[in-house]
Amino acid sequence: GAGVSQSPSNKVTEKGKDVELRCDPISGHTALYWYRQSLGQGLEFLIYFQGNSAPDKSGLPSDRFSAERTGGSVSTLTIQRTQQEDSAVYLCASSSNPTIGGAGLTSTDTQYFGPGTRLTVL
Amino acid sequence: GDSVTQMEGPVTLSEEAFLTINCTYTATGYPSLFWYVQYPGEGLQLLLKATKADDKGSNKGFEATYRKETTSFHLEKGSVQVSDSAVYFCAPHSSDDKIIFGKGTRLHILP
Repeated sequence: GAGVSQSPSNKVTEKGKDVELRCDPISGHTALYWYRQSLGQGLEFLIYFQGNSAPDKSGLPSDRFSAERTGGSVSTLTIQRTQQEDSAVYLCASSSNPTIGGAGLTSTDTQYFGPGTRLTVL
Repeated sequence: GDSVTQMEGPVTLSEEAFLTINCTYTATGYPSLFWYVQYPGEGLQLLLKATKADDKGSNKGFEATYRKETTSFHLEKGSVQVSDSAVYFCAPHSSDDKIIFGKGTRLHILP
């Protein structure tokens, strides 16, 4: 079946403009994650959705960043008044529900990553 | 193309046991090597990294050494704890800054 898709694949914008990045998760996956990868750095966690709600917004770097998810499916990450330091690859991932195992163990299904959106702020 | 192979899980250990999760990769150029960890209900977070041959990355008692001759970056910890239960991802970053993720290894630590 189709994997996680993201659009656009590349976005070049001018400083101060708003941008919107889109993620289409794998059908049926209820958990959705946004990450950022700056040049030469590791992944930076931004936000996590379980269904339409975001229990963990701790990774959003500033109030210029926001994200929403509707219908338990598509998610958009919006960056307002972009700055040059926002330039990065933005990755989206989805997974099934976390589950509780029979011995009280918790397990989290593997995350499947999209191809990313490369954002360049001039 | 570039790829990474890591030990299949789940891996179940008792507390205080020694842990090794194997990871080997193929990549063009000279990748940086990363291990990420995902705790239950959370997003991925960087665990440790190494950027050149023979470098050792370490964090939270975990270690991994960049072995260029064997193209490996095995993750080790001398004494695991219940709180280490998570999924661990080996992820080379290729020279064009593309991340290649392994399939992940689920680790269960029993008290």
